[in-house]
Amino acid sequence: GENVEQHPSTLSVQEGDSAVIKCTYSDSASNYFPWYKQELGKRPQLIIDIRSNVGEKKDQRIAVTLNKTAKHFSLHITETQPEDSAVYFCAASRDGGSQGNLIFGKGTKLSVKP
Amino acid sequence: NAGVTQTPKFQVLKTGQSMTLQCAQDMNHNSMYWYRQDPGMGLRLIYYSASEGTTDKGEVPNGYNVSRLNKREFSLRLESAAPSQTSVYFCASRLAGAGELFFGEGSRLTVL
Repeated sequence: GENVEQHPSTLSVQEGDSAVIKCTYSDSASNYFPWYKQELGKRPQLIIDIRSNVGEKKDQRIAVTLNKTAKHFSLHITETQPEDSAVYFCAASRDGGSQGNLIFGKGTKLSVKP
Repeated sequence: NAGVTQTPKFQVLKTGQSMTLQCAQDMNHNSMYWYRQDPGMGLRLIYYSASEGTTDKGEVPNGYNVSRLNKREFSLRLESAAPSQTSVYFCASRLAGAGELFFGEGSRLTVL
């Protein structure tokens, strides 16, 4: 089955700096890669996703890049703010994100220092 | 619009006891999921139901059973609870053809 590795497990940055979180996946058939943000004590929520027919996607200060050949994808957050502090999870799925299972990485705890 | 509702939010069990976690969604979603979250382990898929009438094992199904009661409801049962099942359990759902998972608020289970 699919295996998703996520690095680093913790990341601390100064406000205004950029943050990068990287994930690798094992199943070459995976074609849907979302990122979820979980604030302390809250439920995970989708922040951005990318499908395998696209190499990069941006939404304001957040971007995701995908390298299918190397089987890795990354989350980039620019101009970080204290409210970006949370745990971020990457995930992978082989069904285009429609019905089947979604396998998550172990998460990255991001701390943004004012 | 309630979204995904889980009950109970907190539960303490003794080893060997049984219990059922209930999940209901009011978004007319086709697929439903149960995950467990443990410190440093991320979100691990226990079981999922791609559509009404089907269920499939995820990464960590041992010790659990599920029932897709109807399109709205998906329950998770622990027949004989063990301390290793102490965790936060999340139910989630999504619409067929759409990627986003919508999570419930979570259920914190402690097995003594």
